Amino acid sequence: DSGVTQTPKHLITATGQRVTLRCSPRSGDLSVYWYQQSLDQGLQFLIQYYNGEERAKGNILERFSAQQFPDLHSELNLSSLELGDSALYFCASSPSDTQYFGPGTRLTVL
Amino acid sequence: GESVGLHLPTLSVQEGDNSIINCAYSNSASDYFIWYKQESGKGPQFIIDIRSNMDKRQGQRVTVLLNKTVKHLSLQIAATQPGDSAVYFCAEKSLSNTDKLIFGTGTRLQVFP
Repeated sequence: DSGVTQTPKHLITATGQRVTLRCSPRSGDLSVYWYQQSLDQGLQFLIQYYNGEERAKGNILERFSAQQFPDLHSELNLSSLELGDSALYFCASSPSDTQYFGPGTRLTVL
Repeated sequence: GESVGLHLPTLSVQEGDNSIINCAYSNSASDYFIWYKQESGKGPQFIIDIRSNMDKRQGQRVTVLLNKTVKHLSLQIAATQPGDSAVYFCAEKSLSNTDKLIFGTGTRLQVFP
């Protein structure tokens, strides 16, 4: 157990809908990262927050957004969902260099 | 562009043998590397890391070797066990984006009895 929690574990929705994924980092970690992992693919970095502020952006679509709250939990919002958005979404937190990953949310868009 | 790749997409070994998983990276400015293990349906699990000021680092049954000259990273697993079966990713810390990790595509390790 990495100490990073993610909810929900599974999410099934329809095209055009909007969903919110939630992440709670390890106690004391200020950095939160979001990654997308499609079937048989590697991990694609989406976005990073540090202590509530956006710190780095990767290949995140404009339909996606994220935020980190004062209690350091983070939410990833995915809107106007398309079939191709079906994937595993991981959150990671970090005290410095090493990133520790949560169990992920499996999103299925039908 | 920046990339971290793996030479072998699938590695099959017999239980008890040693495993070696390789990774090539392209960004010579990277100074931090991590190996992760991902079991089916689970999140990546940190195994071991190494900084560029080191050539070798050992953990429990695992050793990471870093060859900066040829930009090559390897993970050695001693006495491979069935529980080691998973996909292994190397990751490289990009200095062009603060804290950003670049992941390779992964190598699947299959352990046979």
